[in-house]
Amino acid sequence: RKEVEQDPGPFNVPEGATVAFNCTYSNSASQSFFWYRQDCRKEPKLLMSVYSSGNEDGRFTAQLNRASQYISLLIRDSKLSDSATYLCVVAPYNTDKLIFGTGTRLQVFP
Amino acid sequence: DAGVIQSPRHEVTEMGQEVTLRCKPISGHNSLFWYRQTMMRGLELLIYFNNNVPIDDSGMPEDRFSAKMPNASFSTLKIQPSEPRDSAVYFCASSLGTAGTRPQETQYFGPGTRLLVL
Repeated sequence: RKEVEQDPGPFNVPEGATVAFNCTYSNSASQSFFWYRQDCRKEPKLLMSVYSSGNEDGRFTAQLNRASQYISLLIRDSKLSDSATYLCVVAPYNTDKLIFGTGTRLQVFP
Repeated sequence: DAGVIQSPRHEVTEMGQEVTLRCKPISGHNSLFWYRQTMMRGLELLIYFNNNVPIDDSGMPEDRFSAKMPNASFSTLKIQPSEPRDSAVYFCASSLGTAGTRPQETQYFGPGTRLLVL
């Protein structure tokens, strides 16, 4: 079983739509959680951290459920520029390592 | 500000040749990470350094791969001899390492080296 699992997609949505991605992780001792974004043929970049209380950054909302070992990302009012691969990332306790999921591809069309 | 710098950006080589990938982390960052990304396996951590010392090399696939960090501003990943299955994008990333003392800091990735081994 992979340490971080994501639906690879692709998710094809029209502009203005709301889309949600989910991710599960296997290590219950994981300490920190993130969503990274990777554009085609580019490097991954941090999108947002994920906190237990849930957090929002503009059109993006991230949620963490430690009991279910589940992370989500909600994108409201999708823009064409949101088209990218979204990587779920989990950090084990007491290390600087990050464990990346294989990513969920989003394609927003006009 | 300069981000993480990697060279070369593209490398095409023949099976059996030695390949050396280079990375310059962001100044002041004390952790450096080497990743490999393929369509099949996604982004995999190969090795990471903290204060120039290798901390975890459990992701290094085999003895053909080696990595060094002789100083805080330079690291290399070497493949010798290279094989077609090594074809991938290799990313270097750096961060302010915490050594687990607090939640992990953001990792900043370089543009990657696209390696094709024929």
